[in-house]
Amino acid sequence: DAGVIQSPRHEVTEMGQEVTLRCKPISGHNSLFWYRQTMMRGLELLIYFNNNVPIDDSGMPEDRFSAKMPNASFSTLKIQPSEPRDSAVYFCASSSTSGYTDTQYFGPGTRLTVL
Amino acid sequence: TQLLEQSPQFLSIQEGENLTVYCNSSSVFSSLQWYRQEPGEGPVLLVTVVTGGEVKKLKRLTFQFGDARKDSSLHITAAQPGDTGLYLCAGVISAGGTSYGKLTFGQGTILTVHP
Repeated sequence: DAGVIQSPRHEVTEMGQEVTLRCKPISGHNSLFWYRQTMMRGLELLIYFNNNVPIDDSGMPEDRFSAKMPNASFSTLKIQPSEPRDSAVYFCASSSTSGYTDTQYFGPGTRLTVL
Repeated sequence: TQLLEQSPQFLSIQEGENLTVYCNSSSVFSSLQWYRQEPGEGPVLLVTVVTGGEVKKLKRLTFQFGDARKDSSLHITAAQPGDTGLYLCAGVISAGGTSYGKLTFGQGTILTVHP
């Protein structure tokens, strides 16, 4: 069975460029989470969708970050313009139920480097 | 300031040794989870504890939730090289504050088990 799929696995870009990260959740899952992981701040929740609707985006750092979920099988996280401090590993996770406490299945992550 | 403090941050031991990782907070959690993350991969859920004083065992791993639901521990017996990885605790705060209802992660403990 396919797990959560993220692309690209690695992204290197220059400051000021637009970056789009992609996620395909596990089929049938109705909750999707975007996280960011850094050495300094650990793993932080950015945004949570349930049934394609953003439920909690309070973790999105600033207006440069935006996330969409146009359908149940696809989500994007966009950073425009990107800055060096955005460098991190971005994870997408999905869950078969609503809420935060049920088992979340994480993708392999996208390692973003902004020069 | 981290809501969940994990200790130690780094642990390097020999195969066969026992170890304990701690996860502490001043907040009360409705549930607490432990994850293991290997390099280049996303976190994988090991266990969820919900009742104060609860103890769960997963082969050589023993998880305990504090009576007051403010802390948890992970004990590994006879560690093996395959146990190497980043161990993360994550909890959902039971009441109040901006983190209410969200899954908040600790900084993690990097465990290395040498053959």
